[in-house]
Parts: sequence; structure tokens; C-alpha cells
Amino acid sequence: GAGVSQSPSNKVTEKGKDVELRCDPISGHTALYWYRQSLGQGLEFLIYFQGNSAPDKSGLPSDRFSAERTGGSVSTLTIQRTQQEDSAVYLCASSLGLAGGSTYEQYFGPGTRLTVT
Amino acid sequence: RKEVEQDPGPFNVPEGATVAFNCTYSNSASQSFFWYRQDCRKEPKLLMSVYSSGNEDGRFTAQLNRASQYISLLIRDSKLSDSATYLCVVNERTNAGKSTFGDGTTLTVKP
Repeated sequence: GAGVSQSPSNKVTEKGKDVELRCDPISGHTALYWYRQSLGQGLEFLIYFQGNSAPDKSGLPSDRFSAERTGGSVSTLTIQRTQQEDSAVYLCASSLGLAGGSTYEQYFGPGTRLTVT
Repeated sequence: RKEVEQDPGPFNVPEGATVAFNCTYSNSASQSFFWYRQDCRKEPKLLMSVYSSGNEDGRFTAQLNRASQYISLLIRDSKLSDSATYLCVVNERTNAGKSTFGDGTTLTVKP
């Protein structure tokens, strides 16, 4: 079946512009996660959704970052007034239930590579 | 101090070798533990969950030591295809959706 998809796969933007990144989770997966991975680094947790609600937004680096999920499916991560330090790969994952309370596997999308010039 | 720490390596081993990675975590309330594998410029994929009693999947063995707050991954009879970065992942009990990833340990298996 279809896996997690993300769009665009690559995005080059100028400093100060806003960007929207999209994630389509696996159908039926209630949990959705956003991470950021800088070159040569591990994954940095940004936010997760259980259904349409986001219980923990503590990982968002600044108020320039926001995310929403509608209809318990598609999610968008918006970065306003992009800065060069926002350049990274943004990964989305989904799972049947929350990964922490059980052993639910997170399925990752291929990521969006964001470059801010 | 990072919440989840791994030796970054790189570990360079010959085919057939046995190699072990450790991962330490600082939050004693952590509940769920996993090893993920990430190939170069690819997304992470689950390798195995880590159970309290330890668990094995073919050539891979995972162990959890709650008292010392570390988990380990043992790979026996290394194959060239095992070359990848191995990510340790820890989830909290009270915030079940937040996964904390280590920075990864890089393994290169050489012929």
C-alpha cells in the first residue's frame, strides 16, 4: 500500500519568505509526527498530532513555525520568514497509535529538503 | 547533556565481525525504546523495538538496562548491507507522542 508521502521533495527559498511543507500519512494512522534533520545530525522532534490535536508543541524552534492537521489526515508545517538556519530535511512520520505508549512503529516519509538562500 | 546519547563512531568492521552499540538516556520516566536504521540520504526505518527482557531478531539482539539507563544493539556476522547509521529512540511514559532520537552511530562493514 501507499506509504507516507511528502511534498515538495526539494524546496529552495529566499530568506524571509514563507514556506509550506505537506505530509500525507498512511491511511488509518491516527498519529503524525514532524522532525527536522540537519546535515550529519540526528532527528529533532518538532511536533506530533493525535488525530487533529497537537498535545505537545514544545519542539517547535520558534513562533515562526506552526503546524496543523485537518480531517485526521494531511498535515502542513509552515515556516514564516525563513532564516538560513532553517535549512534542513523535514521528515514526517505516521503510526497507528502513539509510539510511546506501545511499540507502534513510525513510518517515515522521504522528507522535504529545504534550502534557504 | 543530551537526553539520548550515542557514540557517533564511525565503526569500521570487516564482514563477519560482531559489533555492539550502546545508547544512554537521561529520563528515568522513559518507557519505550527502539532502534531505527537510516541509510545515507534516506528516511529512517524501524530495525527493532527493545523489550525489557531483551529480544533477538536474526543476527540482531537488543537489550535494555533500566537501572543504568542504557540500551544496546548487537549485530553478529556483519554483512556489507548492514552499513548504515543506527538511531536509538526513546519515548516518554507521560508524553507518549514525543520520540527523542540519538544522533546515531555510523557503521561501515568492509569486505
